[in-house]
Amino acid sequence: QSVLTQPSSASGTPGQRVTISCSGSSSNVGSDNVNWYQQLPGTAPKLLIYINNQRPSGVPDRFSGSKSGTSASLAISGLQSEDEADYYCAAWDASLHGWVFGGGTKLTVL
Amino acid sequence: QVQLQQSGPGLVKPSQTLSLTCAISGDSVSSNSASWSWIRQSPSRGLEWLGRTYRRSKWYSEYAVSVKSRTTISPDTSMNQVSLQLNSVTPEDTAVYYCVRAGRDGYLDYWGQGTLVTVSS
Repeated sequence: QSVLTQPSSASGTPGQRVTISCSGSSSNVGSDNVNWYQQLPGTAPKLLIYINNQRPSGVPDRFSGSKSGTSASLAISGLQSEDEADYYCAAWDASLHGWVFGGGTKLTVL
Repeated sequence: QVQLQQSGPGLVKPSQTLSLTCAISGDSVSSNSASWSWIRQSPSRGLEWLGRTYRRSKWYSEYAVSVKSRTTISPDTSMNQVSLQLNSVTPEDTAVYYCVRAGRDGYLDYWGQGTLVTVSS
């Protein structure tokens, strides 16, 4: 019962483009920035996209983010096998006064 | 480059206190532009923010409602560390615990390596 809603799974073949959605409310996604994290098995989440659409240095430009209203999306183009991981969205919630997360999307590269 | 090195026991008995420490390098726990959070992850609860501490003109500590009554997050300025104490643990507190920094622009950027804490007798 995560505050932000993501699909539990997504898949694509190498080279394809995949999008992952993140739905929230006016107190989180609708009023603050969305950040995305990639988590490989057995490791800590790694910052992938910050402030809706910014990439940290070292993150390939195949990864992009967008936000509109109370929804955000992560897009991965030119899918590669190494992109197989769990992806999480996060935002600050003004009502809860804390960070809230999506339940995570498990991306499978077929 | 900011690095967060966590330490603490991996097994805690029910009703006892979970205590973890996060040693900070590449930044200062007393920074006026950073905050230091603890976040846990379990299959049943997903990623859950527990609380944070930060310094502006004075020290602040803020907690998630779900754990507020039994959680303390505090800085150790002499050791440049931040600690987590969670009292009266139950098996539901079994999770991987992360120490996480939010930098000047407010987003969670650097994560510790994670500590699996199991609550069991």
